[in-house]
Amino acid sequence: DADVTQTPRNRITKTGKRIMLECSQTKGHDRMYWYRQDPGLGLRLIYYSFDVKDINKGEISDGYSVSRQAQAKFSLSLESAIPNQTALYFCATSDLGTGQYFGPGTRLLVL
Amino acid sequence: AQSVTQLGSHVSVSEGALVLLRCNYSSSVPPYLFWYVQYPNQGLQLLLKYTTGATLVKGINGFEAEFKKSETSFHLTKPSAHMSDAAEYFCAVSVASGGSNYKLTFGKGTLLTVNP
Repeated sequence: DADVTQTPRNRITKTGKRIMLECSQTKGHDRMYWYRQDPGLGLRLIYYSFDVKDINKGEISDGYSVSRQAQAKFSLSLESAIPNQTALYFCATSDLGTGQYFGPGTRLLVL
Repeated sequence: AQSVTQLGSHVSVSEGALVLLRCNYSSSVPPYLFWYVQYPNQGLQLLLKYTTGATLVKGINGFEAEFKKSETSFHLTKPSAHMSDAAEYFCAVSVASGGSNYKLTFGKGTLLTVNP
């Protein structure tokens, strides 16, 4: 089984809808992250959490919120989706500074 | 704040030729450095990392990178390209963000094309 899983893998939604992307990990890591990837822009950090009680904004948090339900679960919500949130979203986990482990990604299209 | 610059958004090489992907970083404290690879329609996979110690780091699939502090560089190389190396490569830098917690900053990526 994969160490970091994301659901759904693909999602099409309409402008104004609320959606949630979910991430689960079996690596036992405390640290979890949400990124979005856009062509030519690399990966940009949306939110990160260093433990269950710690949530921090990344560089592009506007329009997004997160919930850390447990050590192994970190969800990303788009409260009111807009077309420029169309992107590939990645969840990642890490243990100290030794690199991050990424999920397979969720491809989101906002119409 | 740290930053990463990858020189060349697209690099094209012939099969069997040397692969060189350039990465320069900016950091006010000693960094951890990483290279990730992303194959089409997949997530990111860690290729190699530099934390401390030996500055020449070997990774998976025959790739290696050398940390050069004086040049603030961490270029990725492979002596002989294979068709299966075609992918997008990301350099990343990680520095402490309070205590033992770290954040990664990514470069914009370099797309590697391998021609037969």
